[in-house]
Amino acid sequence: AQSVTQLGSHVSVSEGALVLLRCNYSSSVPPYLFWYVQYPNQGLQLLLKYTSAATLVKGINGFEAEFKKSETSFHLTKPSAHMSDAAEYFCAVSESKGGGTSYGKLTFGQGTILTVHP
Amino acid sequence: SQTIHQWPATLVQPVGSPLSLECTVEGTSNPNLYWYRQAAGRGLQLLFYSVGIGQISSEVPQNLSASRPQDRQFILSSKKLLLSDSGFYLCAWSPPRDRGIYGYTFGSGTRLTVV
Repeated sequence: AQSVTQLGSHVSVSEGALVLLRCNYSSSVPPYLFWYVQYPNQGLQLLLKYTSAATLVKGINGFEAEFKKSETSFHLTKPSAHMSDAAEYFCAVSESKGGGTSYGKLTFGQGTILTVHP
Repeated sequence: SQTIHQWPATLVQPVGSPLSLECTVEGTSNPNLYWYRQAAGRGLQLLFYSVGIGQISSEVPQNLSASRPQDRQFILSSKKLLLSDSGFYLCAWSPPRDRGIYGYTFGSGTRLTVV
């Protein structure tokens, strides 16, 4: 079974500082990896995803993530934090399943709450 | 384009009352459908998923049930709510026969408070 570990349930940064949210995965097959963002009382929104093309993936709102197979990591970064980045972030890995009724089941990490201070 | 609708947005229900949350998807056929729950400090918990009409798989034993009466409709129900059913419920969909490359698209969620 695949799994995801997000290191740090809470991360706090100053406005303008680098954002780094850590995600490590476990998978027996090449994974697909995702980052989602959730604002209070809203659904999850896809930020970016890795699907075995370029290892450096750029997403919305200036975020990017790098797939590092040797480290089994997919950390999310943003060079300069903005107040509007304050939210909860979820890393996820897909669990492909073969057969006629295959589907891609996502396994989510526990989430990291990002706080941005002025 | 595809859209997902989830309602109601908020709900306050007494203990022991029934529950029905509805989710519909537009713009696609035979989507994979999912119900998740977020309880405070417990991350995302997959409750049910469905790959077709009448096909429901349950991930955890609980007081809830799910049904898929139509291709793009997914309903979460309970006959008698418990306090522990409180939480934020999210519906999501993914393309049919997806092998994990597309990810999920989530609805806007329902905040359920059982009192």
